[in-house]
Amino acid sequence: DVKVTQSSRYLVKRTGEKVFLECVQDMDHENMFWYRQDPGLGLRLIYFSYDVKMKEKGDIPEGYSVSREKKERFSLILESASTNQTSMYLCASSGESSNQPQHFGDGTRLSIL
Amino acid sequence: AQSVTQLDSQVPVFEEAPVELRCNYSSSVSVYLFWYVQYPNQGLQLLLKYLSGSTLVKGINGFEAEFNKSQTSFHLRKPSVHISDTAEYFCAPKGSGAGSYQLTFGKGTKLSVIP
Repeated sequence: DVKVTQSSRYLVKRTGEKVFLECVQDMDHENMFWYRQDPGLGLRLIYFSYDVKMKEKGDIPEGYSVSREKKERFSLILESASTNQTSMYLCASSGESSNQPQHFGDGTRLSIL
Repeated sequence: AQSVTQLDSQVPVFEEAPVELRCNYSSSVSVYLFWYVQYPNQGLQLLLKYLSGSTLVKGINGFEAEFNKSQTSFHLRKPSVHISDTAEYFCAPKGSGAGSYQLTFGKGTKLSVIP
């Protein structure tokens, strides 16, 4: 079974802090994704990566950056956290072929105070 | 680019009754289609997928979905729901061309099963 592990289930940070969310997958997947999920808005793609050191902006990249130094790890960075970034963050990974489904972690519920 | 509409944001249904969760997508190219389920405080879990072949697709937990190309729909059904099916369900089309990495998620349908 594919396992996608997010480092924290719950996280509380303060406005202006730099925040790191970590995600690790164990299936040697090429593609990795970061989403945020908000009530009534569904899932929105922040960034994705299709290879080590490669990244592409999703639909809502503003205020975020990402890092993929190793194939199994994809980090989401909030450079200067703001209260409107309080949300559920979901990481996913998928194989190279376009017919491969995405596999999700359990999510990190982030609160910015 | 894909777009997807889940026609009902909330669906209440009595236990052991049938249910249909509706999904329409908009695409001018071939697509792959996925349904995901999210239980409270968890990530998304793949329920079923349509890649090609038979238009009726069976998934986990007794769910099935039918791909209708002419109506660009991929509705999810279950003949008899259980309390444990209470969750949020997401429809997600994806382009089938090379370099198509992204899923496009609908806004979700919350299924509430009433005892």
